Amino acid sequence: NAGVMQNPRHLVRRRGQEARLRCSPMKGHSHVYWYRQLPEEGLKFMVYLQKENIIDESGMPKERFSAEFPKEGPSILRIQQVVRGDSAAYFCASSPPGLAGNRVPYFGPGTRLTVL
Amino acid sequence: AQSVTQPDIHITVSEGASLELRCNYSYGATPYLFWYVQSPGQGLQLLLKYFSGDTLVQGIKGFEAEFKRSQSSFNLRKPSVHWSDAAEYFCAVGAGGQGAQKLVFGQGTRLTINP
Repeated sequence: NAGVMQNPRHLVRRRGQEARLRCSPMKGHSHVYWYRQLPEEGLKFMVYLQKENIIDESGMPKERFSAEFPKEGPSILRIQQVVRGDSAAYFCASSPPGLAGNRVPYFGPGTRLTVL
Repeated sequence: AQSVTQPDIHITVSEGASLELRCNYSYGATPYLFWYVQSPGQGLQLLLKYFSGDTLVQGIKGFEAEFKRSQSSFNLRKPSVHWSDAAEYFCAVGAGGQGAQKLVFGQGTRLTINP
């Protein structure tokens, strides 16, 4: 059973460009979470999605950031008009449906975004 | 609001020595607690979790953790560390009112192993 997959693993963008980060959850998992790891700030929750629904986006910056998890295909974290402060590691996690106690998040390898 | 404190930013131990990494949490209800490990440039690997029941939980790689409600702690232990245990360790609490979906992480503890 393949784990959570993220691509690309490394992404370089110039200021003002768009960044698209993809996440394929583990087989059978219908819940996806995105976290950001900034130097000196640790891991912070960004957004929680189920298929075609955003459940909790309380950690998403108000502008330039969006996320989706379509019925078919991977979850996408999109950052428009990137700035240097967006440089970070972005991690996706997934968990299965069912009882809350069973929803253990498993993490992908991350995408390291560098903004020049 | 939920929070997690890992008081030790960096710990160095000798190979073969015992290890304890501290974690204190703040959460209003019965917490869902996790320990993850991250090697440089890698993702997070789940070491163990506590949801309910026995307060001493066993994980992978010989790690264990004990939940102490009275102290709001969930410390990670290993009787004898190996050089391959050098990594960063994160304690997390499941928040959001629905259990394990949304994790609040501590700042992490970086573990260095002396040969």
